[in-house]
Amino acid sequence: AAGVIQSPRHLIKEKRETATLKCYPIPRHDTVYWYQQGPGQDPQFLISFYEKMQSDKGSIPDRFSAQQFSDYHSELNMSSLELGDSALYFCASSLGLLAGSSYNEQFFGPGTRLTVL
Amino acid sequence: SQQGEEDPQALSIQEGENATMNCSYKTSINNLQWYRQNSGRGLVHLILIRSNEREKHSGRLRVTLDTSKKSSSLLITASRAADTASYFCATDGGGFKTIFGAGTRLFVKA
Repeated sequence: AAGVIQSPRHLIKEKRETATLKCYPIPRHDTVYWYQQGPGQDPQFLISFYEKMQSDKGSIPDRFSAQQFSDYHSELNMSSLELGDSALYFCASSLGLLAGSSYNEQFFGPGTRLTVL
Repeated sequence: SQQGEEDPQALSIQEGENATMNCSYKTSINNLQWYRQNSGRGLVHLILIRSNEREKHSGRLRVTLDTSKKSSSLLITASRAADTASYFCATDGGGFKTIFGAGTRLFVKA
């Protein structure tokens, strides 16, 4: 079965550079989530999109922005990179909230490992 | 952590023993999920328990939920060396997000 695809899998950038991470959700999934996981840390929710609109926002720095496109893939844009941005970035997708149901299982991609030097 | 605490933070057991991990959360939830993560790898969904459920089983996994105490436990029976990983509980956060706990690192010795 098709899974969530993230690209690139590894990315090395210098301080103050920009980076763009891409996420391709499972076919027919309409909701995408982004998470950041620092070394030895738990995943921290950044932002989510439902039907191409931002649906929820977490601890995403102002230097980061994201969007979901018409084909439901999403991109996380990170500018003025700092050393502390080095982390594993996960994307997850789901079918969103089913009408009248609270079920919302998310399927995670393999992650993009960003290293800022 | 955005969530409560996970207990214990690290657990080392022998193969064949049972492993119990606990998690507490702070807000009202619709559901609680447990995930597994091998070192530096992606998150694998293990089991979801809804707020109106008290216990759920899946293979060697048993999850309990006590909404009055805002806590959950994950029991892995007859552990195997391949179960070595970090285990996270996560709640739905009442919206389009998932709030993770700090995780328990489980090490199963062969």
